[in-house]
Amino acid sequence: GAGVSQSPSNKVTEKGKDVELRCDPISGHTALYWYRQRLGQGLEFLIYFQGNSAPDKSGLPSDRFSAERTGESVSTLTIQRTQQEDSAVYLCASSRVHFGPGTRLTVL
Amino acid sequence: SQQGEEDPQALSIQEGENATMNCSYKTSINNLQWYRQNSGRGLVHLILIRSNEREKHSGRLRVTLDTSKKSSSLLITASRAADTASYFCATDAGGTSYGKLTFGQGTILTVHP
Repeated sequence: GAGVSQSPSNKVTEKGKDVELRCDPISGHTALYWYRQRLGQGLEFLIYFQGNSAPDKSGLPSDRFSAERTGESVSTLTIQRTQQEDSAVYLCASSRVHFGPGTRLTVL
Repeated sequence: SQQGEEDPQALSIQEGENATMNCSYKTSINNLQWYRQNSGRGLVHLILIRSNEREKHSGRLRVTLDTSKKSSSLLITASRAADTASYFCATDAGGTSYGKLTFGQGTILTVHP
């Protein structure tokens, strides 16, 4: 079946703008994770959704970062007032081991 | 923060040779996983080893886990050019953090034809 999809695949924005990144998990998967990967680094956990439980936001680096998930479907990661250090690949995972292709964010 | 540390950071071998990558971690785990990443994008899950397991095989992959030393190794036998990628270990502490992975920095493997 279809895997995890993310959009856009690439996003270039100017410093100070807000961006929204989207993740479509595998249908029926209750868990959804967001990770950030800076160039040449491993992945850093950002946020975790599990069903209707309160999300685990312990990895969000600042209050400029937020994420939502509607039920057990689509999730959006929002970064407000983007900074150059936000440039990275943002990866979404559905039920732990199924990763999406990522969104490459470049902040100029 | 990155719990895992992997070595080597980069490994270059000839096709047909074996490749061994190591991972160390700091806290107790429920399981440890290895992933492959091509071209800095999506991750492919390779293998999961639970904390009560010592060795696991999958095709040309062999993973060992030593919880007393908090270390794991990934062996790729008879390597192929197509194995060229970055390899990451990731630990899962379990409990309320189940599924929340802590990744190492990765090993860049280059297999020359």
